[in-house]
Amino acid sequence: DAGVTQSPTHLIKTRGQQVTLRCSPKSGHDTVSWYQQALGQGPQFIFQYYEEEERQRGNFPDRFSGHQFPNYSSELNVNALLLGDSALYLCASSSAGTGLQTVGELFFGEGSRLTVL
Amino acid sequence: GEDVEQSLFLSVREGDSSVINCTYTDSSSTYLYWYKQEPGAGLQLLTYIFSNMDMKQDQRLTVLLNKKDKHLSLRIADTQTGDSAIYFCAERPYGNNRLAFGKGNQVVVIP
Repeated sequence: DAGVTQSPTHLIKTRGQQVTLRCSPKSGHDTVSWYQQALGQGPQFIFQYYEEEERQRGNFPDRFSGHQFPNYSSELNVNALLLGDSALYLCASSSAGTGLQTVGELFFGEGSRLTVL
Repeated sequence: GEDVEQSLFLSVREGDSSVINCTYTDSSSTYLYWYKQEPGAGLQLLTYIFSNMDMKQDQRLTVLLNKKDKHLSLRIADTQTGDSAIYFCAERPYGNNRLAFGKGNQVVVIP
């Protein structure tokens, strides 16, 4: 049973460029969340996708956008990259069937490390 | 809003117990979690506690929750070298789908 897979694992971009990160959720999961983890910090919630729609969004600018496909996989897009966007981007999947009143365990991928020069 | 605080570094000898502390501010949080992150890896859920509980024990792990002080702790008994990692506490505010993480606490186990 494959867990959460993310690609690419590492990438380097320059300021002003655009990047797309990809995530395949764990088998049986239908909800994908994206987190940004800057060096030495805890993960910060970017947004969550369910049924191909953005269900909730954190405090990130509109340069950060996403998409969820019918097979539940997801993409994170960042436009007009800034140096401060350098971070580890983590994808986490879960099952909506667990509901808000349950544990709602998140399964994380190993992340995509983005360096902006 | 939520704001999770953690201390940064802990060094412990193999076989000793280690305790990691965390404070949070959102009293509406229904679940509180401890995640482990090893180098080059994603986060792994270690354990969680529901907000109406004071304590939860899971093998070598003991979670204590003090709701009055909004304080959460994780005790690892008989710490092993494989426990060397960064540990994050996280809260999920009521009615929320997202987790708010602390900055993490690096645990180094000395053989």
